Amino acid sequence: DVVMTQSPLSLPVTLGQPASISCRSSQSLVHSDGNTYLNWFQQRPGQSPRRLIYKVSNRDSGVPDRFSGSGSGTDFTLKISRVEADDVGVYYCMQGTHWPWTFGQGTKVEIK
Amino acid sequence: EVQLVESGGDLVQPGGSLRLSCAASGFTFSTYYMSWVRRAPGKGLEWVATIKQDGSEKYYVDSVKGRFTISRDNAKNSLDLQVNSLRAEDTAVYYCARHTGDYWGQGTLVTVSS
Repeated sequence: DVVMTQSPLSLPVTLGQPASISCRSSQSLVHSDGNTYLNWFQQRPGQSPRRLIYKVSNRDSGVPDRFSGSGSGTDFTLKISRVEADDVGVYYCMQGTHWPWTFGQGTKVEIK
Repeated sequence: EVQLVESGGDLVQPGGSLRLSCAASGFTFSTYYMSWVRRAPGKGLEWVATIKQDGSEKYYVDSVKGRFTISRDNAKNSLDLQVNSLRAEDTAVYYCARHTGDYWGQGTLVTVSS
């Protein structure tokens, strides 16, 4: 199975400051169709997960442009340009290239 | 508006069974892969199973193979997860999700305890 490793696992941030989460996969996430199926999800306390980014860098509808995704191959990053109070929650990367699909451990973002 | 509504979660004894259901609306259900994902208390998300549009292909995480069965009824816009031989470690909120997670339900809680 593909292992997804996120860092850090806990991320205290100051409001208005940037934040960055790293996600590394144990093997390349480039699919035979040429796409890289790496998604990012946000789960706020008490809510269902919400997809923020799909295929590495594509923002889902309604997601603020403060969120951006980048990377390739086995190394990926989610960046929040200016953290707002609404961004508190757990963030997960997930690969959908290889079966079984797998999530990272999650990164808990909190306000300092 | 896309809606996914799960049901069927309950308290069940180890070794017991449940059938989880997900009612879909607001999109053409038969054209999407559908998945089940769970989150155990104090842990992260875990993908459980996915089914192809026509039900011809099904994929499972190793820990549930042989115990869980995913199925769908495209005529009724519904997705099911039959969960058998339940263990304490299956305790979780189970979410229904469309494709690779662009839409999620609110979740249904399965608690396995004697």
